[in-house]
Amino acid sequence: NAGVMQNPRHLVRRRGQEARLRCSPMKGHSHVYWYRQLPEEGLKFMVYLQKENIIDESGMPKERFSAEFPKEGPSILRIQQVVRGDSAAYFCASSRLAGDLAHSYNEQFFGPGTRLTVL
Amino acid sequence: GQQLNQSPQSMFIQEGEDVSMNCTSSSIFNTWLWYKQDPGEGPVLLIALYKAGELTSNGRLTAQFGITRKDSFLNISASIPSDVGIYFCAGLKTSGSRLTFGEGTQLTVNP
Repeated sequence: NAGVMQNPRHLVRRRGQEARLRCSPMKGHSHVYWYRQLPEEGLKFMVYLQKENIIDESGMPKERFSAEFPKEGPSILRIQQVVRGDSAAYFCASSRLAGDLAHSYNEQFFGPGTRLTVL
Repeated sequence: GQQLNQSPQSMFIQEGEDVSMNCTSSSIFNTWLWYKQDPGEGPVLLIALYKAGELTSNGRLTAQFGITRKDSFLNISASIPSDVGIYFCAGLKTSGSRLTFGEGTQLTVNP
């Protein structure tokens, strides 16, 4: 059973370009979360999506950042007009979610991440 | 945004020693998770805790969910070189919501 897939693993962009990060959740998982990690720091929540819906985007910057999880295909995190401060590791996680908090379906499993470097 | 207070920040131990790390919060979390992250990889789930006071083991790992729901600890017994990595605690407030992470504990194990 494949885990969470992310691509590319490494992405280099020049200032002003666009970055597109892709995430395919684990089989049977319909909930996707994006997190950002700066060097030597913990992960910070960005956005939570279900199929075709953004549930919580309170951790995502209002400008230049957007996310989607279409009915078909992977979830996409898009960063427009990248700046050097966007350089970080971006992780996607997925969960099955049963609605009952005391249940393993709420556990979030992470992909290997995309390391974005902005020159 | 809120962060969990995780300590210690780093630990240097000899192979075979036991290790303990903990996380505290000013607010209540209803689920606590412990992850390990190796360089260049994503976090891997080690242990999940669902009930206050719960004590759960996974091999040489033992974790507890504090009775106040504001803290958790992770113990690693008889450490081995492959335990090297960064350990993160994470709290979940409600079903389907964001994880709040600690800043991590960098563990180094000397053979």
